[in-house]
Amino acid sequence: DGGITQSPKYLFRKEGQNVTLSCEQNLNHDAMYWYRQDPGQGLRLIYYSQIVNDFQKGDIAEGYSVSREKKESFPLTVTSAQKNPTAFYLCASSDLRGSGNEQFFGPGTRLTVL
Amino acid sequence: GQSLEQPSEVTAVEGAIVQINCTYQTSGFYGLSWYQQHDGGAPTFLSYNALDGLEETGRFSSFLSRSDSYGYLLLQELQMKDSASYFCAVPNSGAGSYQLTFGKGTKLSVIP
Repeated sequence: DGGITQSPKYLFRKEGQNVTLSCEQNLNHDAMYWYRQDPGQGLRLIYYSQIVNDFQKGDIAEGYSVSREKKESFPLTVTSAQKNPTAFYLCASSDLRGSGNEQFFGPGTRLTVL
Repeated sequence: GQSLEQPSEVTAVEGAIVQINCTYQTSGFYGLSWYQQHDGGAPTFLSYNALDGLEETGRFSSFLSRSDSYGYLLLQELQMKDSASYFCAVPNSGAGSYQLTFGKGTKLSVIP
């Protein structure tokens, strides 16, 4: 089955530690995205990538870093510089050859920093 | 920049019809999308309107009026499983760039 996987579903870390969230897709999509969701808020874009080895900052990139070494993978690192990292993190992908407005989301990773 | 406004909560009775509104302010307009998200789950795409009018997909319909910077999602024959959050979203630019800005979401509660 094609789709997007994120692991782990729940993640706990101590304050001051960096943590990397995994995102893998087998949909053969060119574009991938990372969003952050807080309670009562919509999805806010952290980073996005439209092609391997290239990525762009979204609206709230400070304290985060990404890499896109393979088309299938777009890991997100939450660094110690992120002041309030506890949130629900969603990865998505889309096919740029279509209308591009349909994004497919993974199940999310809920990060709690203690 | 882009901003979208939608009601934070809506309650409706099973079997009824509910309309979720979305107004937007954008520097350029390239279409309005709707996503559904159940608690703790992943958002799923529902619809996309680039032109004025009503698009129907089963029990769900989506409407757009570009002159009014307004759209809505219409859910008919409500079922308990329709209880979820619904987000409107707009692309940040035209072809070749598919960053989306999302509204804060409308939490729909369907009651018996």
